[in-house]
Amino acid sequence: KNQVEQSPQSLIILEGKNCTLQCNYTVSPFSNLRWYKQDTGRGPVSLTIMTFSENTKSNGRYTATLDADTKQSSLHITASQLSDSASYICVVSASLGGYNKLIFGAGTRLAVHP
Amino acid sequence: EAGVTQFPSHSVIEKGQTVTLRCDPISGHDNLYWYRRVMGKEIKFLLHFVKESKQDESGMPNNRFLAERTGGTYSTLKVQPAELEDSGVYFCASSQEMNTEAFFGQGTRLTVV
Repeated sequence: KNQVEQSPQSLIILEGKNCTLQCNYTVSPFSNLRWYKQDTGRGPVSLTIMTFSENTKSNGRYTATLDADTKQSSLHITASQLSDSASYICVVSASLGGYNKLIFGAGTRLAVHP
Repeated sequence: EAGVTQFPSHSVIEKGQTVTLRCDPISGHDNLYWYRRVMGKEIKFLLHFVKESKQDESGMPNNRFLAERTGGTYSTLKVQPAELEDSGVYFCASSQEMNTEAFFGQGTRLTVV
């Protein structure tokens, strides 16, 4: 069964601190892995997209890693800001029937406090 | 460039009533997707249009849900009759090519009472 598991479910950190969010997946055949940020009341916005051959990808203060062997990914946020408070969703794309189908994790809800 | 827009942003209806959600994709995007998140769970796929054709509707929960995309532009998702378990947030996304990045709308929060 294609699944995406994220941890922790929620996280509270102080402004300026770093944090790492985890994603484990059992999706086959794997196409790519995406991290999305979803602010309250808004739709998900893409942060990074990584294919099988990519180990790391950065987008500003966000750095995603991918270990395709262990089927794990992480999203590291550096020097957190209040605006980083949001849900972070790991999405794995499965290549099915010639096109990609997105399988979503439940998300990690991050709260950054001053 | 306008993003994906969804109407309405919120809808509260009684059980048994009909509701129609609308999605306007990014202009030029042939691929349009509907997803929903119910009861705080993960977002799940409902269906995928390529232009006006349904590429994949395997995620549609039952025949109370009907999606259309006449003319290959905007899409509607009708729920008739609505049940309590249909409450959730319905997202629409669009992409230019089938396997490229999908851009999401802000969602429609549906509450069935």
